[in-house]
Amino acid sequence: SQQGEEDPQALSIQEGENATMNCSYKTSINNLQWYRQNSGRGLVHLILIRSNEREKHSGRLRVTLDTSKKSSSLLITASRAADTASYFCATDENAGNMLTFGGGTRLMVKP
Amino acid sequence: DAGVIQSPRHEVTEMGQEVTLRCKPISGHDYLFWYRQTMMRGLELLIYFNNNVPIDDSGMPEDRFSAKMPNASFSTLKIQPSEPRDSAVYFCASSRGAGHTQYFGPGTRLTVL
Repeated sequence: SQQGEEDPQALSIQEGENATMNCSYKTSINNLQWYRQNSGRGLVHLILIRSNEREKHSGRLRVTLDTSKKSSSLLITASRAADTASYFCATDENAGNMLTFGGGTRLMVKP
Repeated sequence: DAGVIQSPRHEVTEMGQEVTLRCKPISGHDYLFWYRQTMMRGLELLIYFNNNVPIDDSGMPEDRFSAKMPNASFSTLKIQPSEPRDSAVYFCASSRGAGHTQYFGPGTRLTVL
């Protein structure tokens, strides 16, 4: 499988619930990023976590990174219908110049 | 800042025609990336430039695809001749530095009939 695989592929929750998405990768990294894509739009950067960080917060977003397991998770708390989108993780595999994106998790938040 | 600008937003063409997609990166960004997104293959990196120089084009599907960056504020992705399997959304993104946050344009939705 490719670098940066998200799990689950699709997630459907009710407004107000928390949403957790996971990402696994294979090589060493300098950083891992999470992006969001609304239908028909380009990707928008949400948060970047460096390899020496374990947890990072931004508003209702919480990202964790476990380099020993080569995995990351994105938690969206108190979800809203407007959070409905696809979420992608991206890694600079082998600390390279480019990002490798996973297949994404499609999140649907029902009002 | 206007963000990354792409044109056209939509393109419908017939098989065999030449297609040119355009991108204006964010001013001051030294990296520019071209991606293709389809349901089947997800988001694929086609090529990227650093300071207007192509660095890695290993993602370009075949010789029908070519990309140029004549200056720091403009890049093109050309498909000649186009085929139905090229139908996809093509994104341009730019960043300041390697492996850093990338800023995506709105994409060009290409349909080849």
